[in-house]
Amino acid sequence: EAGVAQSPRYKIIEKRQSVAFWCNPISGHATLYWYQQILGQGPKLLIQFQNNGVVDDSQLPKDRFSAERLKGVDSTLKIQPAKLEDSAVYLCATGLAGREQYFGPGTRLTVT
Amino acid sequence: GQQLNQSPQSMFIQEGEDVSMNCTSSSIFNTWLWYKQDPGEGPVLLIALYKAGELTSNGRLTAQFGITRKDSFLNISASIPSDVGIYFCAGTRNDYKLSFGAGTTVTVRA
Repeated sequence: EAGVAQSPRYKIIEKRQSVAFWCNPISGHATLYWYQQILGQGPKLLIQFQNNGVVDDSQLPKDRFSAERLKGVDSTLKIQPAKLEDSAVYLCATGLAGREQYFGPGTRLTVT
Repeated sequence: GQQLNQSPQSMFIQEGEDVSMNCTSSSIFNTWLWYKQDPGEGPVLLIALYKAGELTSNGRLTAQFGITRKDSFLNISASIPSDVGIYFCAGTRNDYKLSFGAGTTVTVRA
C-alpha cells in the first residue's frame, strides 16, 4: 500500500512570496490533516478535513494560510504572503476518523 | 491541543541497553500513539493504544496505555544504532485531534 505522498520536499522562498504544498493521501482515508512542525517541537495541527469538508481550522492563520481538498482526495496548502516565522516542516497526515494517523515525508519550507 | 509532557527530553544510551520514556497529561486521553521521526522524514507510527491498561508490543518496542488514561510509556529493549531518532507521544481525546509531546531525542553509543 502506497503511503502519503507530498511535494515538493523542499522549498526556499523570500518573505512576502507565495507557496503551495500538495498532498496525496493513502487510498480510502477520508480524514486528512495538515500540520506545521517547527524545529525542536512536535507537529501542530493546522487544519483537518473529513472527505472534502473542513472539520477544524481553528489553528490555521487564515489571513495568510488557505487549504482545500477537492473531491475528497488530494489537498493543497497555500501560504500567501509568507513570513519568516513560517519556516518549518509542513506535514500531511491521513487516517480513518478516530484511529491512527499516517504521515507523509513533509515539505521543508525556508523563508528568507 | 492539550499539553503532553514527554520525558526525558533526550537520552544518550549504550547499544544493547533497555530504555524507557514516558508521556503524561493532566487530561484524560482516549488514544495514545507513539511515533518515531528520523531527520528529514515524517513521523512513522510505531504503536497505537486504544484501551486503558493496554500493553502492546511491536518487535523490540513495548508501550502501555496508563490505567488513569493520563499517561503512557514506551520501552525499547536491546537498543541498536538504528533506534536513533526522535520519539513522539501523541494522544487524542473525544474530538479526535492529535496532540503531540515535544519529543525524546535518542542517541545510541555504538
